[in-house]
Amino acid sequence: GAVVSQHPSRVICKSGTSVKIECRSLDFQATTMFWYRQFPKQSLMLMATSNEGSKATYEQGVEKDKFLINHASLTLSTLTVTSAHPEDSSFYICSARGSPDRGEKLFFGSGTQLSVL
Amino acid sequence: QKEVEQNSGPLSVPEGAIASLNCTYSDRVSQSFFWYRQYSGKSPELIMSIYSNGDKEDGRFTAQLNKASQYVSLLIRDSQPSDSATYLCAVIKAAGNKLTFGGGTRVLVKP
Repeated sequence: GAVVSQHPSRVICKSGTSVKIECRSLDFQATTMFWYRQFPKQSLMLMATSNEGSKATYEQGVEKDKFLINHASLTLSTLTVTSAHPEDSSFYICSARGSPDRGEKLFFGSGTQLSVL
Repeated sequence: QKEVEQNSGPLSVPEGAIASLNCTYSDRVSQSFFWYRQYSGKSPELIMSIYSNGDKEDGRFTAQLNKASQYVSLLIRDSQPSDSATYLCAVIKAAGNKLTFGGGTRVLVKP
């Protein structure tokens, strides 16, 4: 089946540093990728929708200058958390929408646990 | 009103029993409905998808959709301790649109 690879799985960083998270679709081309954030004991909250070759669409309340999304190819989207602070500590999950022949199902990455000290 | 609502639980069921989870959604134009299972610290994994009214069965899982009442449910038969997880209901309003998750229901299956 389709696989979405997300790296790194865990990041611990100092406050003020920037962290880049990669999301790759390994055996299909993903024109659309989604980035979610999940705080402990809460559900997944959509941060932004990333379309290949165009600017990402951010959900209300998500700072586009803080969470930079790049979707330069059909198999790779990156999320950069700039100047991370402790309140950005969360579980970040990407998902990629499969092609029509796969029913356009969503496939999830394994997630990245970000801890900002 | 939240777009997708679930009882947070925990829903405690004895091993071998049926676990029944419910989910309601607010937007009538919603077309696609999903149940995901999420273990702590892991990403969600798809259990069931359902698109039309009625029941859909897959192994020990049965999803039920009632668009008129705007609810979707999940039954887990012969519950096992390994079924202990958080179950997320998710809805897509229209094809190609974003997936909106409910808050999740935590299920505990006791041996």
